[in-house]
Parts: sequence; C-alpha cells; structure tokens
Amino acid sequence: AQKVTQAQTEISVVEKEDVTLDCVYETRDTTYYLFWYKQPPSGELVFLIRRNSFDEQNEISGRYSWNFQKSTSSFNFTITASQVVDSAVYFCALTLYNFNKFYFGSGTKLNVKP
Amino acid sequence: DVKVTQSSRYLVKRTGEKVFLECVQDMDHENMFWYRQDPGLGLRLIYFSYDVKMKEKGDIPEGYSVSREKKERFSLILESASTNQTSMYLCASSSSRGTDFTDTQYFGPGTRLTVL
Repeated sequence: AQKVTQAQTEISVVEKEDVTLDCVYETRDTTYYLFWYKQPPSGELVFLIRRNSFDEQNEISGRYSWNFQKSTSSFNFTITASQVVDSAVYFCALTLYNFNKFYFGSGTKLNVKP
Repeated sequence: DVKVTQSSRYLVKRTGEKVFLECVQDMDHENMFWYRQDPGLGLRLIYFSYDVKMKEKGDIPEGYSVSREKKERFSLILESASTNQTSMYLCASSSSRGTDFTDTQYFGPGTRLTVL
C-alpha cells in the first residue's frame, strides 16, 4: 500500500527564518513520482515541484529547495528566509507509474509571522 | 501557463437542489479530475475523465455524477444536494493519458459549496 505522511500539522516561524517541511512516503514500487503543492488561503493548489524516483538530485528554485532521499523515503521541502507570503498549507503527494491514484499527505500549515 | 477555471468561487444551495459545478482547462489536457477537500479528511478523488465522454469513479463517487462533452470542459453534478456535500470542490487537469496519473495535475481555484 502507498502512503504519504506529513507529521508536522502546523509550524509557526518568524519572517526570515528558514523552515523545513517533512514528507515521508511509503511504496514498494520502484517507479514513482513525488510532488509538492502550496495552498494559500485563497484555496487554489499551486504546483511547486515534480520529481521521479530515479532522480535523487536535490533541487533549488530561488528560496525553495527540495531534498529527496530514497534511503529514508523522504522528500523534504525547505524555505530559506521565509516571508509572510509563504503562509499556506503545503501538501506532499505520491503517484505510481500507470496507476490511477494520487496519494496526498494531510498537509502542513505554515504560518510566517512578520 | 496552464489555466484551470471553475465557474464559481462560492455557491450556496438548498437541500434537494440539482447543482452543477463547471471546470474548464485551456491546455488541451486529456485527463481531468474532481476532488473534494474537507478538514481532517484531505483531498479525495470523486471522479476523473481520461477522454471526452469517458469517466472513471474515484474514491467517493456516491451522490455525484460527471459529464465531459468537450475536451476542455468537465462538469460535476450533484443530482440532489445534501448537507453532507458541503465542501470545497477542486478541479484539476493533467497531460497524463488514461489511467496514468504521473504528470502534474494543475488545479483550479476551487468552489466552496454550502448546502443548507
């Protein structure tokens, strides 16, 4: 069975702090894809990143970075120098090749205070 | 940029009414999806469609139906709305084909439906 766990329900930081959101996944398949989405208070899920299981390179995009480690089944997301606009719920998700299901984690609510 | 639009951001309906939620995407995507999102339950797939007039049930199809007459448009229908269908409804589209969900799903802004 597949599963995505985001153990941090809610995190509060002060602006300019760095923050890491954890994502742990479970699957026995060797071909799978991982995603991160951001859901601001407006409600729309905004796509952030897609990574396949064969690409373990870390990725950096501006203040965002992702650390994919197959050895620990984790795909963690770090925001450097957080800003108030980063306040949102962040979802990690998993899907398998040729399988019609998207497994979402329960989400982590990030509060960035000025 | 991928654009997925939904007909309403907020909707209030009465129990027993027939409700239509419309979703349109402009990227010529094959697959389209309807989810509902509830506190504590996360996102749950209601239905998806992999082609015009083709649909598949998701995890919670009961009480819902869908229609896809044109590739760019996917409608969710509540035949007789009930209070337990009060929720946030999110539409998504993806360039994945058939039952392969590995491409990115792009979401619309959501519709907050309240059934009184």
